[in-house]
Amino acid sequence: DSGVTQTPKHLITATGQRVTLRCSPRSGDLSVYWYQQSLDQGLQFLIQYYNGEERAKGNILERFSAQQFPDLHSELNLSSLELGDSALYFCASSADGVNTEAFFGQGTRLTVV
Amino acid sequence: TQLLEQSPQFLSIQEGENLTVYCNSSSVFSSLQWYRQEPGEGPVLLVTVVTGGEVKKLKRLTFQFGDARKDSSLHITAAQPGDTGLYLCAGAGSSRGSARQLTFGSGTQLTVLP
Repeated sequence: DSGVTQTPKHLITATGQRVTLRCSPRSGDLSVYWYQQSLDQGLQFLIQYYNGEERAKGNILERFSAQQFPDLHSELNLSSLELGDSALYFCASSADGVNTEAFFGQGTRLTVV
Repeated sequence: TQLLEQSPQFLSIQEGENLTVYCNSSSVFSSLQWYRQEPGEGPVLLVTVVTGGEVKKLKRLTFQFGDARKDSSLHITAAQPGDTGLYLCAGAGSSRGSARQLTFGSGTQLTVLP
């Protein structure tokens, strides 16, 4: 158990819909990262938050957004969903934004039908 | 954009054999990490290498960071079925600052047959 909790574990939704994925980092970790993993793209970095502020942005679509709350949990919002958004979405946390030894949650499997 | 190439992409071997997985880039990384991922689970950190030429051992696994900090290898001795999984290397950028994203390689899917 990495200490990172992601909910829900599975999500099935229709195209055009909006979903929210939730992540609780390890106790004491200030930094949260979101990754998308699909069969053809591998593990792609989406966005990083550190202590409530956005710190780094990767290949995140404009239809996607994220935030980190004062209690340090984070949410990834995916809107206007397309079939191609079906993937595993992982959250990872680390103690700070510099020490990049990240601990991953079990992921949310999103299926868009 | 920093890219990491892993090879081989797939590897199927018999129990007891040795194997090496490679992770190469044209970019310099401040550190490199190796993860192992099992189906339906998140990647689990195995090791972090920081210094060029560094070698770290974790039981039957030996990790090496290239002298120029652009490449790394993972060697497994006497592989066991429990070693089966997706092995991912990930490099942290060399720029200083409070944000360092990890760039992941595409992974090596290892299957060890009993």
